[in-house]
Amino acid sequence: ETGVTQTPRHLVMGMTNKKSLKCEQHLGHNAMYWYKQSAKKPLELMFVYNFKEQTENNSVPSRFSPECPNSSHLFLHLHTLQPEDSALYLCASSTRDSLQETQYFGPGTRLLVL
Amino acid sequence: GESVGLHLPTLSVQEGDNSIINCAYSNSASDYFIWYKQESGKGPQFIIDIRSNMDKRQGQRVTVLLNKTVKHLSLQIAATQPGDSAVYFCAEKDSGYALNFGKGTSLLVTP
Repeated sequence: ETGVTQTPRHLVMGMTNKKSLKCEQHLGHNAMYWYKQSAKKPLELMFVYNFKEQTENNSVPSRFSPECPNSSHLFLHLHTLQPEDSALYLCASSTRDSLQETQYFGPGTRLLVL
Repeated sequence: GESVGLHLPTLSVQEGDNSIINCAYSNSASDYFIWYKQESGKGPQFIIDIRSNMDKRQGQRVTVLLNKTVKHLSLQIAATQPGDSAVYFCAEKDSGYALNFGKGTSLLVTP
């Protein structure tokens, strides 16, 4: 787990707030991912970045805005969220080549929207 | 649509017994499969993976079996320990970026 870190670990915000989630990977990977994990639902892929370029946006509402300044850092900017956005937000990273595709996850940020 | 699912939502085993967690997938193009373990308050932790050109792979106390004919994946844990109690997810992918996860099976190890 120490290979991928996420901050904050817990976040409570109102629907009018603006906050950001941060992810950092220390594994030398070139791809980074944001997932949403809600209770009793499968992990949902939100965004994929490969070499800092966004390669996938899985129909995520615009109130979630990702940013990837370099291959080691990934942010998720949040604004005007809804209570149903409360979930565990997980960051992952991987090496994008044909031999190694395992995604390694961070501990997640537990988000509560009031 | 394509989906990944788990046969049993919960599994209770006695310490020392072997555990088997099953997973069905429907994407015939899937060529890479992973098992993750998620403990309370933590992110998913990689356990073992397998490619579609294999039908079995072994790790330390864990074995993954892949049956492509019936699109079935299983995770076997030998001599299950209390520390194995967690939620286990299977995931699959094809040539794209996305990992498709199942809903998870909760494994409870009793003394």
